[in-house]
Amino acid sequence: DTAVSQTPKYLVTQMGNDKSIKCEQNLGHDTMYWYKQDSKKFLKIMFSYNNKELIINETVPNRFSPKSPDKAHLNLHINSLELGDSAVYFCASSHLRDPVRETQYFGPGTRLLVL
Amino acid sequence: SQKIEQNSEALNIQEGKTATLTCNYTNYSPAYLQWYRQDPGRGPVFLLLIRENEKEKRKERLKVTFDTTLKQSLFHITASQPADSATYLCALDIDSGGGADGLTFGKGTHLIIQP
Repeated sequence: DTAVSQTPKYLVTQMGNDKSIKCEQNLGHDTMYWYKQDSKKFLKIMFSYNNKELIINETVPNRFSPKSPDKAHLNLHINSLELGDSAVYFCASSHLRDPVRETQYFGPGTRLLVL
Repeated sequence: SQKIEQNSEALNIQEGKTATLTCNYTNYSPAYLQWYRQDPGRGPVFLLLIRENEKEKRKERLKVTFDTTLKQSLFHITASQPADSATYLCALDIDSGGGADGLTFGKGTHLIIQP
């Protein structure tokens, strides 16, 4: 059973295009996140959503827009892709009322390459 | 701003020995600290969480210590095995007051257990 799933696994696209990455979790968690892992393997938080509300938004360009149709999904839409957007994007989820608060469950990642 | 440092980018240990990884942080007083494991091409997987009032926590061959005075956590793997080879990430919560905050990760230590 997949806990946190992402599609697509690989995404190769041209600069300037618009693309979306989908994320779904079947853990019943109330909070979902997007992280970016760059070429140096540094993992950095981008967004989190709790009960359909954006809680944090780090210094991410507004070309990136998270969209959550329901508690189990958090999609990431990227407009006007740039070369520097090439990275691995990880979706994660957690449950704030979990005794181990904010233990995060990660998806397998989406490898984005912008040409 | 908060800063997290992990002792080295890579660590080579002979099989059967104890591997010790270090995580240091500055400008922050976290309520807890987490350790994750990341294998190539996969998302991070939660291993252990230790709270600020705990000195040590164990899980099978894993042991984590937390010294809030030194602002340091040590992660030990005893009787190391080649299957323990992976990147280990230290992570702290970003507590901005009860919201669904993400984690700040260190850059990770790539551990290699040599047979």
